[in-house]
Amino acid sequence: GAVVSQHPSWVICKSGTSVKIECRSLDFQATTMFWYRQFPKQSLMLMATSNEGSKATYEQGVEKDKFLINHASLTLSTLTVTSAHPEDSSFYICSANLQTGSNSPLHFGNGTRLTVT
Amino acid sequence: EDKVVQSPLSLVVHEGDTVTLNCSYEVTNFRSLLWYKQEKKAPTFLFMLTSSGIEKKSGRLSSILDKKELFSILNITATQTGDSAIYLCAVQNSGNTPLVFGKGTRLSVIA
Repeated sequence: GAVVSQHPSWVICKSGTSVKIECRSLDFQATTMFWYRQFPKQSLMLMATSNEGSKATYEQGVEKDKFLINHASLTLSTLTVTSAHPEDSSFYICSANLQTGSNSPLHFGNGTRLTVT
Repeated sequence: EDKVVQSPLSLVVHEGDTVTLNCSYEVTNFRSLLWYKQEKKAPTFLFMLTSSGIEKKSGRLSSILDKKELFSILNITATQTGDSAIYLCAVQNSGNTPLVFGKGTRLSVIA
C-alpha cells in the first residue's frame, strides 16, 4: 500500500491565488521530505528539501518566497505555491525515505497536477 | 556536480522485443542506484541496486549495476504494451539525501 500520501491529486486555480499541497508519511516518521517538480516530457527536478522543525533547503533557482514549505510535524510537509502564475503549472511530487539513514528507496506520493489559468 | 545520464531518451519497439535501457552516473558519494517506472502519475519503484554484479530480477524486468564503470542497465524481455512508460534512473548519495534523476527513457511498445 501507499507509504506517502499526497493531496490534492489535481487542482485548478486562477492566476494570483495560492495553492497548498500536503504530503503525509503513513505509518512512519519522516524528518526529511523532498519536493520535486516535473514539467511535461521532462524528468523530476528537485525543488527543495523539507526538514522537520527547521527551514527548508531550496535548490538553486527555486524562489523560497514563492514556494513556501512547512514541515511542522514528523508526518506532514506542505508546499504552498503563492501567487500562482500559469508558468507554475506543473506536476508536483513529494517523497520520503521509509527509514531515515537506511538504505531504503525513496517512496513517492501520487503527485499533484497543478493548472493555473 | 552530480549527474545521471540515461540513454536512449526514447525508444519504440514491437511487442515481444527485448529492450535494454542504459544509465550512467557521476556522483560524489554513491550509495544506491534506483530504477522507477512512470506512467501517468508518480514514479513507481522497480529496483534498488547497491552492489556491483548482482542482478535484480522481477518477472520480465532485470537490472544490474557496475560500480567500476559507473553504469546500470535495465532489461525488459518479451515486452508488452503495458510496459510503455518513462523509465527513470536515479542515484542517491550517502545520508538522507534526495535522488538525482536522469531525464528518463520514454519506451513505447506497439502491438
